[in-house]
Amino acid sequence: EVQLLESGGGLIQPGGSLRLSCEVSGFRFSNYAMNWVRRTPANGLEWVSGITGGGVGTYYTDSVKGRFTISRDNSKSTLFLQMDSLRAEDTALYYCVRGRPRGDFDYWGQGTLVTVSS
Amino acid sequence: HSALTQTASVSASPGQSITISCTGTSSDIGTYDLVSWYQQLPDKAPKLIIYEVKKRPSGVSNRFSGSKSGNTASLTISGLQADDEADYYCSSFVGGSTFVIFGGGTKLTVL
Repeated sequence: EVQLLESGGGLIQPGGSLRLSCEVSGFRFSNYAMNWVRRTPANGLEWVSGITGGGVGTYYTDSVKGRFTISRDNSKSTLFLQMDSLRAEDTALYYCVRGRPRGDFDYWGQGTLVTVSS
Repeated sequence: HSALTQTASVSASPGQSITISCTGTSSDIGTYDLVSWYQQLPDKAPKLIIYEVKKRPSGVSNRFSGSKSGNTASLTISGLQADDEADYYCSSFVGGSTFVIFGGGTKLTVL
């Protein structure tokens, strides 16, 4: 059974940092690209960042470039998202998502909530 | 790339059929046959129900079907059931640094 379990969310002040983690099981982690997708009440779902199976290629939506860093540890089947210089508009439920080459996402975690507020 | 456009809400009675539309541009839906649909039940993670415009993952009911014409994709749900009540999101591959864009979501209410 495929499982994706996110952690690391919480309440953080603007300008602060958080590191999200996603522990994966049920498939060969290194064979798949992984992504972070967030959901906000105002905007619905938004793709945030992705990383190739080997970890060499990383990709970001424009609004988080230079502030967020995606990485993975294939030896531990774990995906990370380092979030720096957080803003109120980063407040969202962040999902860890398995990606497929043609742009769809076939397995999702339950999400971890990030709230950026003073 | 701007978000894809979906109707905010739709309602229908059990047994009826509904169609949810998702409008993009010639740079996304109009170019790529890579439209996906996701169902998000209350307090649950999104679930892939349609990919590559009209393909269904294993285990997804054949009451769900997808299509595309020009810059608009559509999701049809036939024989509505109470447990179809959920938010439905479309997405399109766009490539480049944006990779994928989503629609704003459609809330389906089964009366």
